[in-house]
Amino acid sequence: DIQMTQSPSTLSASVGDRVTIACRASQSISTWVAWFQQKPGKAPKLLIYKASNLEVGVPSRFSGSGSGTEFTLTISSLQPDDFATYYCQHYNTYSTFGQGTKVEIK
Amino acid sequence: QVTLRESGPALVKPTQTLTLTCTFSGFSLSTRGMSVNWIRQPPGKALEWLARIDWDDEKYYSTSLKTRLTISKDTSKNQVVLTMTNMDPVDTATYYCTRIRAREPAFDIWGQGTVVTVSS
Repeated sequence: DIQMTQSPSTLSASVGDRVTIACRASQSISTWVAWFQQKPGKAPKLLIYKASNLEVGVPSRFSGSGSGTEFTLTISSLQPDDFATYYCQHYNTYSTFGQGTKVEIK
Repeated sequence: QVTLRESGPALVKPTQTLTLTCTFSGFSLSTRGMSVNWIRQPPGKALEWLARIDWDDEKYYSTSLKTRLTISKDTSKNQVVLTMTNMDPVDTATYYCTRIRAREPAFDIWGQGTVVTVSS
């Protein structure tokens, strides 16, 4: 099974900060990675698919990059609505999620 | 508008079988490339993928849970059913259904989730 390892597990940041979350796959997965945002009590929301494609309606401050085994989610200027937990996901035939990164107020 | 909604018991006893239904609208599971997945999230923990069923009735299961899971679809009713046998308190979680869209595949739309507690 493919494992997805996210880092850090918690990130403290301020409004306006540039934030980067990393995700490493246990084997090469091309660009079959998505990123989700989840707020307490809510279903995850798709932000990025196929490693770098911004989902329709998602603000352009979110971006994704990477291929193979190393992937990143970047928020260029953190906004109050962005404090949440973020998950990377490998998906193709099967799927695996990372452990999550909680972005909290510094 | 695409929507998915999970339904099922809120409480099950250990060793019982859980049956969850995902009722969806706004798309057809007979459309080439479409699929529906089940994912769960224990309280305070990460998301865990469980199973997937495709438009052509191909089925895929989590390696660690495949002996306990069965996924099926009723295209005429726009429903996908997941059964999980031999429930245990560690299976307490919010269970979500979500679709993979056919074009530019991604888990784009999720149900609100249904909370299942396993307790005697």
